Amino acid sequence: DIQMTQSPSSLSASVGDRVTITCRASQTVGTHLNWYQQRPGQAPTLLIQGVSTLRSGVPSRFSGSGSGTDFTLTISSLQPEDFLTYYCQQSSGTPYTFGQGTKLEI
Amino acid sequence: QVLLVQSGAEVKKPGASVKVSCKTSGYTFINSFIHWMRQAPGQGPEWLGMINPSGGWTSYSQKFQGRLTVTRDTSTTTVYLELSNLRSDDTAVYYCARDNYESGNDWFDPWGQGTLVTVSS
Repeated sequence: DIQMTQSPSSLSASVGDRVTITCRASQTVGTHLNWYQQRPGQAPTLLIQGVSTLRSGVPSRFSGSGSGTDFTLTISSLQPEDFLTYYCQQSSGTPYTFGQGTKLEI
Repeated sequence: QVLLVQSGAEVKKPGASVKVSCKTSGYTFINSFIHWMRQAPGQGPEWLGMINPSGGWTSYSQKFQGRLTVTRDTSTTTVYLELSNLRSDDTAVYYCARDNYESGNDWFDPWGQGTLVTVSS
């Protein structure tokens, strides 16, 4: 199975900060990498597919980059509604796997 | 819009089975795979398996082979997950999600609201 490792597991930041979350795969996943956002008590929602394509309606302060084994999710200027948990997910091969999550805290 | 609505919470004893439903609407049912994930408290989601509603073909994580069955009913556009021989570590929120595919990449959007399955004696 492909292991997805996110860092950090949690991150304290302030409104207006620029933050970067890293996701590393145990073997290459090409560009088959997606990001999700999860509110407490709710299902995850898609944020970015295929490394860098924002889902319709996602603010442009979110961006993704990378290829192969190393990927990043960047939020250019944190807003209050962004203090949530973020997961990466690979679809290079089954079983599809997720990172353990990064929780953004104020 | 595309909606996935799951059945309600379940409490089961160890060794029992659970069946969770996922009612889909807002798109052509047979045109998109449906995936099942679960999420234990404080953990990332875990992929369990998927079904092609068109012909019923399934693929399961090796971890759940022999215990997991995913089926569909095309007349009601509903997908079902059945997990047998439940253990306490099967306690989690179970989610269905619609597959989206482009250039070899699969992503899950949208997700159902989740079904809490609690396994306790």
